Amino acid sequence: GQQLNQSPQSMFIQEGEDVSMNCTSSSIFNTWLWYKQDPGEGPVLLIALYKAGELTSNGRLTAQFGITRKDSFLNISASIPSDVGIYFCAGSYNTDKLIFGTGTRLQVFP
Amino acid sequence: EPEVTQTPSHQVTQMGQEVILRCVPISNHLYFYWYRQILGQKVEFLVSFYNNEISEKSEIFDDQFSVERPDGSNFTLKIRSTKLEDSAMYFCASASGRDAFISNEQFFGPGTRLTVL
Repeated sequence: GQQLNQSPQSMFIQEGEDVSMNCTSSSIFNTWLWYKQDPGEGPVLLIALYKAGELTSNGRLTAQFGITRKDSFLNISASIPSDVGIYFCAGSYNTDKLIFGTGTRLQVFP
Repeated sequence: EPEVTQTPSHQVTQMGQEVILRCVPISNHLYFYWYRQILGQKVEFLVSFYNNEISEKSEIFDDQFSVERPDGSNFTLKIRSTKLEDSAMYFCASASGRDAFISNEQFFGPGTRLTVL
């Protein structure tokens, strides 16, 4: 079945640093979404992408839909302590079933 | 801001018992979903529901599972005879479905933690 691999698996950074994480697939998607999950809570939608090459921002977050339609990245600029959590990419292809990635755990130190 | 709500937040049950997990999707949304997340793992799709019927389901969603929209606001997931491996967080999600793309912007509830003993 379709699988989404995220890297890195975890990141430990200093407050104020920029963060970059990505998500790759062996098959194409026509929608990419990025979610953040805090412990014990549900995923919260951060950014949605619908076109290959699309670059979209939401505050300090920027995400891009890869040209090959098999990858996406998420950047966080000037990280703050509340950015801590697990970031999941999710993709879909001609369906509204979301395939979730393996997650990137972000830890921010003051 | 409207949000998806779920009850209960935590359900403990004995193996073989039936459980019903409840969700109230965002009020003007038309597409409804259940996902589950086993502890420490990724989120997995179970089922999607639109226009009072299942539109897609995964291999996990076998005959032990069923969904229902009993009224205009609730959306439920029933597990008929729970197994130990059903222990997980179960998330309900909803989407507005104004067009084919927007239905992919799914908003998740806080989840129900199901523990099967």
